[in-house]
Amino acid sequence: KQEVTQIPAALSVPEGENLVLNCSFTDSAIYNLQWFRQDPGKGLTSLLLIQSSQREQTSGRLNASLDKSSGRSTLYIAASQPGDSATYLCAVIPNAGKSTFGDGTTLTVKP
Amino acid sequence: NAGVTQTPKFQVLKTGQSMTLQCAQDMNHNSMYWYRQDPGMGLRLIYYSASEGTTDKGEVPNGYNVSRLNKREFSLRLESAAPSQTSVYFCASSDPGKGGYGYTFGSGTRLTVV
Repeated sequence: KQEVTQIPAALSVPEGENLVLNCSFTDSAIYNLQWFRQDPGKGLTSLLLIQSSQREQTSGRLNASLDKSSGRSTLYIAASQPGDSATYLCAVIPNAGKSTFGDGTTLTVKP
Repeated sequence: NAGVTQTPKFQVLKTGQSMTLQCAQDMNHNSMYWYRQDPGMGLRLIYYSASEGTTDKGEVPNGYNVSRLNKREFSLRLESAAPSQTSVYFCASSDPGKGGYGYTFGSGTRLTVV
């Protein structure tokens, strides 16, 4: 059974810092990995999707990497801003069957 | 905007009442899902539909029923609501078989059972 872990559960940083969020998974037979952002009281917004054949994806200040062999994905946020404050979740998507979501990392960026 | 639409956004029910949560997607996705999200519990899969005409149980199906009405619509029904079903419910869709497929979520239904 796939298990997905996101550590730390919460993170607080001053504005302007570069930071890395981690997503670890136990079964490397994944198809895609997707990162989401969730604001309080809102739905999940897709940030980046990495296919298993790719090593990374970039969108603006965000960069997500995938290392299947080590069972790890990281989400790098450059020059963090207070507007980046949210919960970030990763989802491990298999070739068949149901996806597994991490519990998320809640990020607070202080002005 | 293309995406997943959920109705209603908020609902308060009395214990024992029934209701149906509606979900529709306009991306021609084959698969649809219902999740609930509770503080400290993360996202838990209630039911899913891999394709039109099929439905399967997820982790926490008790107390719920679903209907895949057509390719676009997937509804979740609570026959006799209980306080334990107070939660935020999310519908999602995806299209397995497409290489770069991921999940698209609706904005959620916040349900309170009193």
